[in-house]
Parts: sequence; C-alpha cells; structure tokens
Amino acid sequence: DGGITQSPKYLFRKEGQNVTLSCEQNLNHDAMYWYRQDPGQGLRLIYYSQIVNDFQKGDIAEGYSVSREKKESFPLTVTSAQKNPTAFYLCASIPSGRGDNEQFFGPGTRLTVL
Amino acid sequence: EDQVTQSPEALRLQEGESSSLNCSYTVSGLRGLFWYRQDPGKGPEFLFTLYSAGEEKEKERLKATLTKKESFLHITAPKPEDSATYLCAVSLDNTDKLIFGTGTRLQVFP
Repeated sequence: DGGITQSPKYLFRKEGQNVTLSCEQNLNHDAMYWYRQDPGQGLRLIYYSQIVNDFQKGDIAEGYSVSREKKESFPLTVTSAQKNPTAFYLCASIPSGRGDNEQFFGPGTRLTVL
Repeated sequence: EDQVTQSPEALRLQEGESSSLNCSYTVSGLRGLFWYRQDPGKGPEFLFTLYSAGEEKEKERLKATLTKKESFLHITAPKPEDSATYLCAVSLDNTDKLIFGTGTRLQVFP
C-alpha cells in the first residue's frame, strides 16, 4: 500500500537532547512538509521541500532542522534550541510543489519533553 | 495578512441533526480550499478541494461549498462516527504553502 509513515508514534526527550523524527513516503511525491500541531491551534508549517537536496523554512523553523537526501525521506530534527518542543508533529506530501494539490498526511509523532 | 478562521470551535449535535461548519478566509489570491477530517491522535484525512466560487462537492453525508469569502461544510443527518475535528486550509497563488484554520471539533451523540 502506498502512503506516508512516521516513526516513532511516541517520543520522549530529555531537556537538552536532539531528537530526529522519521518521515518516509512511497507515493513518489516530489514535495514534503513538516507541521507542528498544538491544542487549540492550527497546523503550523516548520519546513518544506519541493525537490531532493532543497528545502525552505516555514513559519516556525527556529530550533528545527531537516534534510532531503532522498525523494522518499524527509527527517526532522528537533534540536535543544527549540524551547517548547512538546507537540504533535505531522509530515505530509504532495505530487508536485504546486499548492493546489491536496496534501497527504502521515499518522503523526507525539513528542513529549520530560 | 492572510488568514483562515473556522467557526464554531466546537459543535455538539444529536444524531440526525443537520448543521454546517464555517471556514472564512481573507487571502490575497486563493488557489484552492481544502477540507480535512482529523480523528484524535491521527493525521488529517483529505475530504474535498474547492477551487472557485459556486463550486460544490459531496461525499456521503458531507457537502462542501465555496463563495468568494467563505466555505461551508454541511453535514446532513450526522452519525456518531462523523465525530472528529474538521480542518479547513487554503493555498495561495504566490506560494506552495497551506494556511490552516484551527478546526471545528464535532461531537455527534446517539
């Protein structure tokens, strides 16, 4: 089955640690996105990538980093510089970089800082 | 500033009681408007895309409509399994990003 997978489903981080969230898709989509979702707030864009080896900052990129070495993979690293990382993180992809394609979402990773 | 506002924040309905969810937007150039359904602890599931004023799309008990300023998601004779958060998002002419509203949390009671 084609789709987007995210791992792990739950992640716990200690203060000062970097953690990496995995996002893989086998839909052959060009563009991939990372969002953060907090209670009572809409999805906020962290980073997005329209092609391999290229990515752009979203609205809340501070404290996060990404890479896009392969078309199917777009991992997100939450660094110690992110002061309030506890949230639900969602990865999405679309066939091309055009904004009129619906985004397909993964199941999400819930990150909790201990 | 481009903005998407959804109302109400929460809606409680009796099974069979039809209603509508609203998504109003103020954006510089609308490319498309999207509706998603999100169950607790899961990723959003795509429902509809609307591109131009007057367009309507239906899927089972759901019908989405679009005007130049807002979109409605009409729910006809809802069932408890329709309980979820419904998200609205817009894409703009000059960007590849989506702007999301904060969602409407729908609860349907038997």
